[in-house]
Amino acid sequence: QVQLKETGPGLVQPTQTLSITCTVSGFSLTSYYMQWVRQTPGKGLEWMGFIRSGGSTEYNSEFKSRLSISRDTSKNQVFLKMNSLKTEDTGVYYCARAPSGSWGWFAYWGQGTLVTVSS
Amino acid sequence: DTVLTQSPALAVSPGERVTISCRASESVSTLMHWYQQKPGQQPTLLIYLASNLESGVPARFSGSGSGTDFTLTIDPVEADDTATYYCQQSWNELTFGSGTKLEIK
Repeated sequence: QVQLKETGPGLVQPTQTLSITCTVSGFSLTSYYMQWVRQTPGKGLEWMGFIRSGGSTEYNSEFKSRLSISRDTSKNQVFLKMNSLKTEDTGVYYCARAPSGSWGWFAYWGQGTLVTVSS
Repeated sequence: DTVLTQSPALAVSPGERVTISCRASESVSTLMHWYQQKPGQQPTLLIYLASNLESGVPARFSGSGSGTDFTLTIDPVEADDTATYYCQQSWNELTFGSGTKLEIK
């Protein structure tokens, strides 16, 4: 059974760095692309980036300068780190898994973790 | 970026047929996908590659279109279909529409 669960800090101060962990079960990270998507009041659903099954990454140009996605396959975890946070980054952050053999859509989603950027 | 335009809201009665549209700012071939999101929940995949029904999704849902114009159809609509529906393209980076909120009267 495929499961994804995000764990985040809840509250982050402006200019600080956001770190979220996505823990997965029921499949191997070396077989699927893993994606990050966020949902904010201002911009709705936004694709942030992915890490390929082989470990390389691709980022949305909007976040490229401040976003990093990595993983620990031994722990079945994928990580999102984004620096220089602003209040507009407040929203729900989801990890999602691509389908088998592709990367362009999101077959499985975590329940999301709410991040509030505020001082 | 490829911009996806959706109507903001629709209201229909149970048993009716509803079509939700999505227009892309440029051709995305058939690289269009649809999601349902209920309040407080994560999105769930309904349709991928314009017309393929995701496993486990009721056959009342169907998708069509290619190029710039796409449609999600629910026939017949049920009360449980109250949700916001999003289109998403994977032709050029990945972008989402702003969503269509469906109300069942």
